[in-house]
Amino acid sequence: QVQLQESGPGLVKPSQTLSLACSVSGGSIKNGSHYWSWIRQPPGQGLEWIGYIYFSGRTSYNPSLKSRVTISSDSSTFQFSLKLDSVTAADTAIYYCARGHRASWAYYLDSWGQGTLVTVSS
Amino acid sequence: FMLTQPHSVSESPGKTVTISCTGGGGGIASNYVQWYQQRPGRAPTPVIYDDNQRPSGVPARFAGSIDSSSNSAFLTISGLQTEDEAVYFCQSYDDSNHVLFGGGTQLTVL
Repeated sequence: QVQLQESGPGLVKPSQTLSLACSVSGGSIKNGSHYWSWIRQPPGQGLEWIGYIYFSGRTSYNPSLKSRVTISSDSSTFQFSLKLDSVTAADTAIYYCARGHRASWAYYLDSWGQGTLVTVSS
Repeated sequence: FMLTQPHSVSESPGKTVTISCTGGGGGIASNYVQWYQQRPGRAPTPVIYDDNQRPSGVPARFAGSIDSSSNSAFLTISGLQTEDEAVYFCQSYDDSNHVLFGGGTQLTVL
């Protein structure tokens, strides 16, 4: 059973870059039938997809965040990462990493990390 | 393309409840729909994928369906239990394979 775990600073200053990593255990990020995704959830609100990356390195980003987001992966360390530039208070949220898995037709997010709260404040 | 859910629904234990997810700006049948359950303080977990398939370990009380005429997907939970009380999110993709979430529906079992 694959497990995911987010790590990174819980407090980021406005205008700085938010950087998080997701460690994957019990599976390989090299599996071509998966993608690796970041999702966030402002406190008390709904889910917002940030983006995903395949092992090939191909990425897809939420158009509303695309200009500020970079997702990368490192198969040697079984990690994938999120960078979000020029953060504001509106970026305060619980950030989840998750695996996209395709059982038959569509990819679905079958495994999630526990989430990490990132607060943007001076 | 966006997904719209009711803000909240409530039903009694043992009864059946249905949560809707309506596609706006596109056909909901064009891309498969997934459903996730999120209990307080926890990460979401999948309960339905590919419109109507249940991941391993999800009880048969959870069922998904699509109605093209209303451009909606539905999550039906029968034999409601108090442990089903949670927020349920629908999820699909747009034509660019961007992930879309509905706003979430709070299910109260009272």
